[in-house]
Amino acid sequence: GAGVSQTPSNKVTEKGKYVELRCDPISGHTALYWYRQSLGQGPEFLIYFQGTGAADDSGLPNDRFFAVRPEGSVSTLKIQRTERGDSAVYLCASSLDDGSSRQYFGPGTRLTVT
Amino acid sequence: SQQGEEDPQALSIQEGENATMNCSYKTSINNLQWYRQNSGRGLVHLILIRSNEREKHSGRLRVTLDTSKKSSSLLITASRAADTASYFCATGPGGGYNKLIFGAGTRLAVHP
Repeated sequence: GAGVSQTPSNKVTEKGKYVELRCDPISGHTALYWYRQSLGQGPEFLIYFQGTGAADDSGLPNDRFFAVRPEGSVSTLKIQRTERGDSAVYLCASSLDDGSSRQYFGPGTRLTVT
Repeated sequence: SQQGEEDPQALSIQEGENATMNCSYKTSINNLQWYRQNSGRGLVHLILIRSNEREKHSGRLRVTLDTSKKSSSLLITASRAADTASYFCATGPGGGYNKLIFGAGTRLAVHP
């Protein structure tokens, strides 16, 4: 079956613009996660959805970042008033259940803010 | 903030040699997972070890976990050039949390 997909694969935007990054999880996976990875670092947690609700958004760096998952499947990460420091690879992952199961990662979206 | 540290940060070996990477973490965990990443994009899950397990094998991979020392190691035996990648450990904390906390990774280069 299909894995986790993310679109676009690359996004270049100007400082101050608004961007949306999309994640399509594996069908039937109730848990969805967003991570951000800066160059040379490991991924850092941003937000976790269980179904439609954000169960943990403690990793969102500030109120310019927001994510939704209205029907419990596709999720969109939204970044307002982008800054050069937002440049990173944004990774999405999904898993079957809560807690200890493995996570399946998408290929990521490389965001570059100029 | 990142949970743990991988050691070494970079490792360069010849094909056929074994590669050992270590990971230390700070808080209590439910499980520890190792992932591989090629070219800075998607992560591929390699192996998961639970907090009540001490050792696990999968093909050429061997993972150990010492919860008393809060450390884990990943051994890749008989390495191949295709094993060249970055390797990350990630912990799933206990208490119902679901987010993975990653270390900074070990960059492995296997030379033919």
